[in-house]
Amino acid sequence: AQSVAQPEDQVNVAEGNPLTVKCTYSVSGNPYLFWYVQYPNRGLQFLLKYITGDNLVKGSYGFEAEFNKSQTSFHLKKPSALVSDSALYFCAVRDTGDMRFGAGTRLTVKP
Amino acid sequence: EAGVAQSPRYKIIEKRQSVAFWCNPISGHATLYWYQQILGQGPKLLIQFQNNGVVDDSQLPKDRFSAERLKGVDSTLKIQPAKLEDSAVYLCASRTANTEAFFGQGTRLTVV
Repeated sequence: AQSVAQPEDQVNVAEGNPLTVKCTYSVSGNPYLFWYVQYPNRGLQFLLKYITGDNLVKGSYGFEAEFNKSQTSFHLKKPSALVSDSALYFCAVRDTGDMRFGAGTRLTVKP
Repeated sequence: EAGVAQSPRYKIIEKRQSVAFWCNPISGHATLYWYQQILGQGPKLLIQFQNNGVVDDSQLPKDRFSAERLKGVDSTLKIQPAKLEDSAVYLCASRTANTEAFFGQGTRLTVV
């Protein structure tokens, strides 16, 4: 069965600095990979996905993610963090149809 | 286009009572998921439907949880009887074959 791991519970960055939120995956076939963001008392909002094609995927709000097959990673990145990016971020993988989520990483961007 | 609708938004019940949650997916989305998200954790898949058929319910505690999607559109998730550890946010999501999943705002259940 597919799974994802988010090795960091918490990531702290200063506003204006680049950010990275890490994700590694395990899947038997070709992975469909996703990043979602969750703000307090809200549902999950889609940021970006990798299905096939370019390893660098661009998504909403200036976020991007790099698919690395050899390292089985799909790290989320942003060149310049905003205070408003502070939220809970989830990586997810879909293989046969069901979609599994990581435990989440809380991103805090300080002014 | 309208998003995934869930109701109620909040529910407080006593342990051993029953509760039901409702989800209306995006029109035309054949795949529907129910997830349980306990505070501080990632969403855990409970059940996946493809139209009105169950694709995966391996993580659904079937002794107390049940779900149905009778006409392949709306879905209900029921807990009977509820336990304290069922306190969580229950998320519904839907998708077509080629899209990401779209989530509703969830139902926050508190069991006291």
